[in-house]
Amino acid sequence: GQNIDQPTEMTATEGAIVQINCTYQTSGFNGLFWYQQHAGEAPTFLSYNVLDGLEEKGRFSSFLSRSKGYSYLLLKELQMKDSASYLCAVTDSNYQLIWGAGTKLIIKP
Amino acid sequence: EAEVAQSPRYKITEKSQAVAFWCDPISGHATLYWYRQILGQGPELLVQFQDESVVDDSQLPKDRFSAERLKGVDSTLKIQPAELGDSAMYLCASSLQREVNTGELFFGEGSRLTVL
Repeated sequence: GQNIDQPTEMTATEGAIVQINCTYQTSGFNGLFWYQQHAGEAPTFLSYNVLDGLEEKGRFSSFLSRSKGYSYLLLKELQMKDSASYLCAVTDSNYQLIWGAGTKLIIKP
Repeated sequence: EAEVAQSPRYKITEKSQAVAFWCDPISGHATLYWYRQILGQGPELLVQFQDESVVDDSQLPKDRFSAERLKGVDSTLKIQPAELGDSAMYLCASSLQREVNTGELFFGEGSRLTVL
């Protein structure tokens, strides 16, 4: 079966750095997405990786290793507004989008 | 800034009643998705349209759910009859990409359904 694993919950301190991991087992690969979702709101797009390596976008970076079926989202200089769930999603060889359950990130002052 | 419009934002209904949700995607977006999301879980695809055609409705409970996008623009998702287990957030999303699931999805604010 197809599976995406993410930690259920993480806690970090304001101003610090946190890394949210995502591992996937899917039938083929056509890209990996990260979305941010605040409580009670819709997901918003953060990043898209299709090639190996690191993509940096301001305080957020996303890394992909296709050979390891692994990605991480790195958040720097954490702010209270970064408290949210972070969803990892993978497009498989049939172009179906498989979603993880999300990682709830709690930021403490 | 263009947005995906959804209504209603909140809906409370009794079981066995009919419910309908409406979505208007960003203009020019060919692909439209309806997702269901239960608290603490990732979105679950119900149906995916490319223009007016259904691309994937394999996870849609067709005995009670129906969806249409008649003119390839706005879309309606209907549940009849509603069951207690249907309580969830119903998310509509659209994408500019014609090659599905290779581009950013733009989500509406969602419709929160509570079935009593």
